[in-house]
Amino acid sequence: GESVGLHLPTLSVQEGDNSIINCAYSNSASDYFIWYKQESGKGPQFIIDIRSNMDKRQGQRVTVLLNKTVKHLSLQIAATQPGDSAVYFCAERRGAQKLVFGQGTRLTINP
Amino acid sequence: NAGVTQTPKFQVLKTGQSMTLQCAQDMNHEYMSWYRQDPGMGLRLIHYSVGAGITDQGEVPNGYNVSRSTTEDFPLRLLSAAPSQTSVYFCASSLLAGDAYNEQFFGPGTRLTVL
Repeated sequence: GESVGLHLPTLSVQEGDNSIINCAYSNSASDYFIWYKQESGKGPQFIIDIRSNMDKRQGQRVTVLLNKTVKHLSLQIAATQPGDSAVYFCAERRGAQKLVFGQGTRLTINP
Repeated sequence: NAGVTQTPKFQVLKTGQSMTLQCAQDMNHEYMSWYRQDPGMGLRLIHYSVGAGITDQGEVPNGYNVSRSTTEDFPLRLLSAAPSQTSVYFCASSLLAGDAYNEQFFGPGTRLTVL
């Protein structure tokens, strides 16, 4: 409901530390899981995706882990920088390119 | 390339008014979609299209119409605006190539308020 949506989960980390953002998904039939970053006032920006038959994928400073047993997805950001401050969304792909987004986590960086 | 463009950036409507949100992409993408984002929440799919002349409903289609007469454009129409349609609307596009996930590129959004 509306009250759940207004209280966005927040993660605060020190600049230079590693960040871990978690996401629980619901549909075992989803074939891809994707992380998007959304800065204030902008549209979501693709970070990384992982196919459902993989358990880990690495990109530049980011790693996504997938645990299908417990339906859990995580995004690890190494050496967090001020520019990483944003809301991070996980999304599941369900057919063609249809995405179902999670609620999002707000990442704030402390200097 | 301009990528995905949306107009207007902001719009205020009165209940019952109609309007069209514009979306265009210059990347020759087959797939286009519309999402709405309510405060503090993720995006929800309204309608999508896999090519010119083909559209289908997403998760929250009620109150919205779409058409896809060209590859480039995918307008979203609100026939009779309601306060519940106050939201930020995002258009996105991508290729449709193979089984892999094709990155969806999002526009900057249209912030709509219905009084």
